[in-house]
Amino acid sequence: NAGVTQTPKFRILKIGQSMTLQCTQDMNHNYMYWYRQDPGMGLKLIYYSVGAGITDKGEVPNGYNVSRSTTEDFPLRLELAAPSQTSVYFCASSIVQGSTEAFFGQGTRLTVV
Amino acid sequence: DQQVKQNSPSLSVQEGRISILNCDYTNSMFDYFLWYKKYPAEGPTFLISISSIKDKNEDGRFTVFLNKSAKHLSLHIVPSQPGDSAVYFCAASADPGYALNFGKGTSLLVTP
Repeated sequence: NAGVTQTPKFRILKIGQSMTLQCTQDMNHNYMYWYRQDPGMGLKLIYYSVGAGITDKGEVPNGYNVSRSTTEDFPLRLELAAPSQTSVYFCASSIVQGSTEAFFGQGTRLTVV
Repeated sequence: DQQVKQNSPSLSVQEGRISILNCDYTNSMFDYFLWYKKYPAEGPTFLISISSIKDKNEDGRFTVFLNKSAKHLSLHIVPSQPGDSAVYFCAASADPGYALNFGKGTSLLVTP
């Protein structure tokens, strides 16, 4: 099992550009999450999904969009990138939301210049 | 507003000694508490958890203690090893109904 796979690992964007961060998991987990981690800070929840076709906002959703067309994939879309979106992005999945551990991908380091 | 707080950004411990990492929370609805370990350039990995019905959970060298009345939990690592050097995140959630809330992390350095 590969677990949670994120691509790309690194990306530099110019202000105003758009991109999609890819996340896929092969554990058949229903729940998936996107977090961002700013330097010296904890992880903040951007969006989450409790199953295919269902998504909801987390703590810091502005500037992002998500979709969940399959159980495996949960892409995060950045429209009109801004320097404030420079961060490390982590995708995670879990069997049961909150009560058991979430499995994380290796992260995508995004710089907006 | 930070609901999970780790007030020590860093901790240095000698190999073989005990490491104690602390975490405080403000939301009395939290029922599940987890510790994650993170190495540079990797995602966090789950270490140990505890639910609010317990006050202690042990897994090998790692023990988590929960004091609900004080809204405080701690992670004990005994004995500490150089490979334990990493950033440790405390996380909490309410009953299955929301995702994890994370603290800012404590960077642990175990020196030989």
